[in-house]
Amino acid sequence: NAGVTQTPKFRILKIGQSMTLQCTQDMNHNYMYWYRQDPGMGLKLIYYSVGAGITDKGEVPNGYNVSRSTTEDFPLRLELAAPSQTSVYFCASSKTGNYGYTFGSGTRLTVV
Amino acid sequence: GQQLNQSPQSMFIQEGEDVSMNCTSSSIFNTWLWYKQDPGEGPVLLIALYKAGELTSNGRLTAQFGITRKDSFLNISASIPSDVGIYFCAASNYQLIWGAGTKLIIKP
Repeated sequence: NAGVTQTPKFRILKIGQSMTLQCTQDMNHNYMYWYRQDPGMGLKLIYYSVGAGITDKGEVPNGYNVSRSTTEDFPLRLELAAPSQTSVYFCASSKTGNYGYTFGSGTRLTVV
Repeated sequence: GQQLNQSPQSMFIQEGEDVSMNCTSSSIFNTWLWYKQDPGEGPVLLIALYKAGELTSNGRLTAQFGITRKDSFLNISASIPSDVGIYFCAASNYQLIWGAGTKLIIKP
C-alpha cells in the first residue's frame, strides 16, 4: 500500500516559470489537502478537496491552483513562480475531515 | 479565526528524561490529534483523541483530550534519541487546525 505519493521530491524553478506538483493516493480517501511548510514553521493550508470535482481555498491560496478530476489525484499548479513560494509542499489525504491525515513525503521547491 | 497555541516552541532534553508539551485554544474542538515530523519527511499520526477527558497511550507516548475540550497534552516517557523531531498538535470540528510545533532536541 503506497499511501500518498508526491512527485517530484525536489525542484528548482526560475522566477516566472510554471510547474505542477503531483499527488496521488491509493486509499480511496475522499479528502485531500495541500500544505506548505516554510523553514522552522508549521503547516499552512493552501487548498483542499472533499471529493472529485470539488475544491476550496485554504489559508494561503494566492499563486496556486488545483483540480480534482479523480478521487486518487490532486495536482497543485504554480503558474508564475515567485521567491516567496520557496517552501516544502506536503500533500495529505483523509477518510473524513477530522480523521487522521496521511501525508506524503513532500516536495522541496526553490524559486530563484 | 481558530488558533492553537502550542508550547514550548522547542525543548532540549537528555536521553532518559520525560517530556511534556501542550496545546491550548480559546475554541472547543471535537477531535485532537498529535503528529510527529522527522527531518525531510511528512508528519505521521501518533495519537488521535475523540472524547473529552480521554487518555490514550501509544508505547511511551501518552496524550489527553482536555475536559474543557479546549486543550490537549502529550507526554513522552524515558526519551530516546529517535524521539527528536517536531511534534504538532492538531484539532478539528470539521477542518483540521494545526499548532506551530514543538521541536525536540537531544542535548549533546
